[in-house]
Amino acid sequence: QSVLTQPPSASGTPGQRVTISCSGSSSNIGSNTVNWYQQLPGTAPKLLIYTNNQRPSGVPDRFSGSKSGTSASLAISGLQSEDEADYYCASWDDSLNGVVFGGGTKLTVL
Amino acid sequence: QVQLVESGGGVVQPGGSLRLSCVASGFTFSSYAMYWVRQAPGKGLEWVAFIRNDGISKYYADSAKGRFTISRDNSKNTLYLQMSSLRGDDAAVYYCAKDRQYYYSYIDVWGKGTTVIVSS
Repeated sequence: QSVLTQPPSASGTPGQRVTISCSGSSSNIGSNTVNWYQQLPGTAPKLLIYTNNQRPSGVPDRFSGSKSGTSASLAISGLQSEDEADYYCASWDDSLNGVVFGGGTKLTVL
Repeated sequence: QVQLVESGGGVVQPGGSLRLSCVASGFTFSSYAMYWVRQAPGKGLEWVAFIRNDGISKYYADSAKGRFTISRDNSKNTLYLQMSSLRGDDAAVYYCAKDRQYYYSYIDVWGKGTTVIVSS
């Protein structure tokens, strides 16, 4: 049981917009920033969004993040087949003194 | 470019010990906090341990407390994870990861991982 809650799966057709939610609590998302990671099949995770809504260089602007209260979301617009991957939200937890991850959302491009 | 290369994984019997290493390059290792994160087969990411840039502050997940020790040698640009009393549920790919600053902020770079198998 992960500390942050994500839907286990999401899907969309090419060109569509999909969103992935991430729900936490006051000790993590409510008091710290949220980061998102993309894990393509068979590879290590990669930073996708940091500090709630910032994109590292090289990440397309089709990816965006937002945070409100104890929840966050990742939006992917103009869905492409190469976006098929697992997506994880993460935040620091002040009670646990550590990083907490969501359980991951498997995105399928139909 | 920034690179993290893990090693030390392998097959270990239940109750056994293993030491993982992670050699860093392409950045000033001593200036950044580091993490170990693991991923069991078919499962999600699980944080294991954190260490500040100077090695003074260390934090552990409940699953690792009392059995795992994170350490670093800044003179060798190397991060370690000493694991003991290993159990079946410790089997996973173990990733070394870098923070974007000296204390906790967020993971910005990941290694490719090293695999630990716990089996008799």
